[in-house]
Amino acid sequence: GAGVSQTPSNKVTEKGKYVELRCDPISGHTALYWYRQSLGQGPEFLIYFQGTGAADDSGLPNDRFFAVRPEGSVSTLKIQRTERGDSAVYLCASSLSSGGYEQYFGPGTRLTVT
Amino acid sequence: KQEVTQIPAALSVPEGENLVLNCSFTDSAIYNLQWFRQDPGKGLTSLLLIQSSQREQTSGRLNASLDKSSGRSTLYIAASQPGDSATYLCAVRKYSGAGSYQLTFGKGTKLSVIP
Repeated sequence: GAGVSQTPSNKVTEKGKYVELRCDPISGHTALYWYRQSLGQGPEFLIYFQGTGAADDSGLPNDRFFAVRPEGSVSTLKIQRTERGDSAVYLCASSLSSGGYEQYFGPGTRLTVT
Repeated sequence: KQEVTQIPAALSVPEGENLVLNCSFTDSAIYNLQWFRQDPGKGLTSLLLIQSSQREQTSGRLNASLDKSSGRSTLYIAASQPGDSATYLCAVRKYSGAGSYQLTFGKGTKLSVIP
């Protein structure tokens, strides 16, 4: 079956611009997570959705970052006024439900801010 | 705050050798622990998941152990092959409220298996 997909695979943008990154989870998975992986580091948690609501956004670094999941399936991570320090790979994962179910990861979006 | 450390950061071994990757975590109140593989430019592939009540899990040539009280896990790879070359990430899962079971990752061990 189809896994988690993310688009675009690569995004290059200029400092100060706005970007949107999309995640399409595995069908039927109600839990969705966003992580950010900087070069040479492990992924770091950003935000968790259960259904349509952001149940845990404690990992978002500041108010330039925002994510939505309006219909409880596809999610979009939005970054305003991008900075060079936002350059990283943004990973999305989904799991069957809340709880300690295994998370399945997408291939990521590599964001480069010039 | 949970911290996860992986040692070594990089490892190079000849093909056929058995090897051990180490992972330690500071907060033993974890729900489970997961080992992932990451190939260059790719996402994460789950290898093994160990529940907090378990001591080990096996899948093919891979065996992962968990000692929750001491905050340690090891990933054992038997008879290594060049195709095993990748970065191996350890992640611990803890309940953080509101149904969220976020993962905290180590920085990974980059493994190279030389033919």
